[in-house]
Amino acid sequence: EVQLVESGGGLVQPGRSLRLSCTTSGFTFGDYPMTWVRQAPGKGLEWVGFIRSKAYGETTEYAASVRGRFTISRDDSKSIVYLQMDSLNTEDTAVYYCNPVFKWGLGYWGQGTLVTVSS
Amino acid sequence: AIQLTQSPSSLSASVGDRVTITCRASQGINSALAWYQQKPGKAPKLLIYDASSLESGVPSRFSGSESGTDFTLTISSLQPEDFATYYCQQFNSYPITFGQGTRLEIK
Repeated sequence: EVQLVESGGGLVQPGRSLRLSCTTSGFTFGDYPMTWVRQAPGKGLEWVGFIRSKAYGETTEYAASVRGRFTISRDDSKSIVYLQMDSLNTEDTAVYYCNPVFKWGLGYWGQGTLVTVSS
Repeated sequence: AIQLTQSPSSLSASVGDRVTITCRASQGINSALAWYQQKPGKAPKLLIYDASSLESGVPSRFSGSESGTDFTLTISSLQPEDFATYYCQQFNSYPITFGQGTRLEIK
């Protein structure tokens, strides 16, 4: 059974950094790309970024709104994907979800982790 | 970036109604489109992938279709548990994008 547990969220001041983790189980983590999606309170879904598998160089893609501030990385030995968030601003306040990309449709979701950026 | 425009943004319907939600892409996306259902306080649930493939475990009253850059989610006979917000998402090119959502309410 695929399980995803996002962690690391919390209250952070504008301009500061935070690192989210997504611990996974139930599938061969190293074989699949991973993506992050977020949802601001009362708003729609927003794709954040994507990291390919090691076979594809662990290359990354980002939404324009976070490019240059957020960095996705992965540790295949631990089956964990990370989201390093720097220079946070109030518009980054959201629930953050990670997802394995098995196909062109995200079939597995964790509970998400809430990030609140506020002074 | 490819824009996805959902219509309507909200609609009211009754149990048993047939409902159609449309997602229009700003350019061709090669069927790389998914539909999700989201209920308040919950993570989204995948309904349809590759534009028309039904996700395992999803009731057959849900279906997806495409015509050019127009994609449609149809619920053939609304059930009480179907009242939720629905999103489309394209995977054809980066940045991956979502539609703005369609809120389906009980009439």
